[in-house]
Amino acid sequence: EVQLVESGGGLVQPGGSLKLSCAASGFTLSSYTMHWVRQAPGKGLEWVSTVFSNATFKYYADSVKGRFTLSRDDTKDLLFLQMDSLRAEDTAVYYCARGSTYLHPWGQGTLVTVSS
Amino acid sequence: DIQMTQSPSTLSASVGDRVTITCRASQSISSWLAWYQQKPGKAPKLLIYKASTLESGVPSRFSGSGSGTEFTLTITSLQPDDLATYYCQQYDGFPWTFGQGTKVEIK
Repeated sequence: EVQLVESGGGLVQPGGSLKLSCAASGFTLSSYTMHWVRQAPGKGLEWVSTVFSNATFKYYADSVKGRFTLSRDDTKDLLFLQMDSLRAEDTAVYYCARGSTYLHPWGQGTLVTVSS
Repeated sequence: DIQMTQSPSTLSASVGDRVTITCRASQSISSWLAWYQQKPGKAPKLLIYKASTLESGVPSRFSGSGSGTEFTLTITSLQPDDLATYYCQQYDGFPWTFGQGTKVEIK
């Protein structure tokens, strides 16, 4: 069964850092384009970042560019999102998702709260 | 960036009703559009991709149509399990963008 499981969320102060992980099972992570999408409390979905299967190309939303870094550990089928200089507006549930076009499947999400 | 606009933002319908949600793109995206269903407290789930292709396992009462800038998601006979928020998403180019969502309520 194809499955994605996020972890690493929590409470962090403004200006702090957090690293999210997404564990893939049932498929080889390196063969797929992978994404992070977030959803602020009570709000809609916002695409955050994408890494293509060849890992050469990465894209970031303007709202996180220069602060967030997406990486992969292909030996462990893990996707990461390093989040630095966090702001209150980064508070959201962060989902990882698979797909070169549409997003399928999605993980269950991990909550990041940025607050003092 | 390509803006995606959904309407209505909320709709209330009875079981058995036909429901239509519209998604408009600010520029042509060909058929590079997906629809997702998000139930309360859950992750989004893919319903339709390439504007009209039903994902495996999704009930046939769901259908999608459109191309270019105007798209629709139709539920032919609304069921209680369809209580959810529905999002469209374009994947014609980065940044990928979502509509603001349509919340479907059951009368």
